[in-house]
Amino acid sequence: DAKTTQPPSMDCAEGRAANLPCNHSTISGNEYVYWYRQIHSQGPQYIIHGLKNNETNEMASLIITEDRKSSTLILPHATLRDTAVYYCIVRVRFGNTPLVFGKGTRLSVIA
Amino acid sequence: KAGVTQTPRYLIKTRGQQVTLSCSPISGHRSVSWYQQTPGQGLQFLFEYFSETQRNKGNFPGRFSGRQFSNSRSEMNVSTLELGDSALYLCVSSWGGMNTEAFFGQGTRLTVV
Repeated sequence: DAKTTQPPSMDCAEGRAANLPCNHSTISGNEYVYWYRQIHSQGPQYIIHGLKNNETNEMASLIITEDRKSSTLILPHATLRDTAVYYCIVRVRFGNTPLVFGKGTRLSVIA
Repeated sequence: KAGVTQTPRYLIKTRGQQVTLSCSPISGHRSVSWYQQTPGQGLQFLFEYFSETQRNKGNFPGRFSGRQFSNSRSEMNVSTLELGDSALYLCVSSWGGMNTEAFFGQGTRLTVV
């Protein structure tokens, strides 16, 4: 079973920041937070991952709370192309464990 | 560089038949995993192959099998197809296993009638 809880759906106005929350209250010390997204009819796409520090790349920013029990994925300027299902996953960084997907958050970016 | 290539993209089979799906990972990647995605169950892990050996297996019946060749290409087979096997089958490529960066293919959409 997935170890994360996400809202089933969210809306965001085009051009505004999209903030997608994720709860992972049982996260272990050696587990990272990963985010993937799946645009309709495509395979999931890696976005970002982090352990405890905030992370930023060209796609998004990841903010992890100090107690690591929750995190927020931020898309700074959402576009219509960001409409997708976003998955938050916790897993160890090294080893051979598969990605376990929950139901994710369906983000709709509205013009 | 080329991405993960899955063939065919779409497939229609009759109940009771068997099917083979193919996946070519990114060049240099040695790990190939397979997932099944359905509206009801979401994304579910089938199995992972690394250097021609099955390293992880999900909770699917024995009708689902796979293999990996020396060039890292992988195939998965489903025998005695059931209507419930209709799904999007996704292949995942990574160089060292699923804990390294994983890249998904576009999937094969299988419809069982």
